[in-house]
Amino acid sequence: QKEVEQDPGPLSVPEGAIVSLNCTYSNSAFQYFMWYRQYSRKGPELLMYTYSSGNKEDGRFTAQVDKSSKYISLFIRDSQPSDSATYLCAMNESGGSYIPTFGRGTSLIVHP
Amino acid sequence: NAGVTQTPKFQVLKTGQSMTLQCAQDMNHNSMYWYRQDPGMGLRLIYYSASEGTTDKGEVPNGYNVSRLNKREFSLRLESAAPSQTSVYFCASKIDRVRDNQPQHFGDGTRLSIL
Repeated sequence: QKEVEQDPGPLSVPEGAIVSLNCTYSNSAFQYFMWYRQYSRKGPELLMYTYSSGNKEDGRFTAQVDKSSKYISLFIRDSQPSDSATYLCAMNESGGSYIPTFGRGTSLIVHP
Repeated sequence: NAGVTQTPKFQVLKTGQSMTLQCAQDMNHNSMYWYRQDPGMGLRLIYYSASEGTTDKGEVPNGYNVSRLNKREFSLRLESAAPSQTSVYFCASKIDRVRDNQPQHFGDGTRLSIL
């Protein structure tokens, strides 16, 4: 079992829907949590970054971390066709190897 | 503002051929990384360089070598390419190894096919 689990999808939603993307993890030492967005034939780009538990909001995007459940989420409000991409979660410990562990990515399709 | 630049973008090799993938960053970052991305497998770390002059193995180093040429450049070499190395290769950089709150920045990848 991988340290970080992420459903690969694809997740297909209509334009304007609220999207929920999720990752679970097993390593309780993870403290830093990131969401990357990857468009087709492009490299991952950082979308959201959070430390420890709680919520962080940036425009239409909200990242949520529940360390007690070892579960993180990314919510996208008013989804747009331009949000169609693969979303990768990543996390790393404070200290240790400092190398992030990535989920496999969830493919999101927002259709007009 | 180029960020992380990878060359070439595409390459087709025959089994047994050798090849070097180039990566350069212009953000004055200390740490650099090489990943491969395969369908259903996510990003897997091949090698990384925490700082100029150092390199370390990642999760899947077999069949690869790396060189940290200087602070800007980090190359990945396949000495004898095998079909199992068909993948998309991403280079990433980070300001330094120990600042957890700084993310990695990725290039746009090299798509490598080995026949």
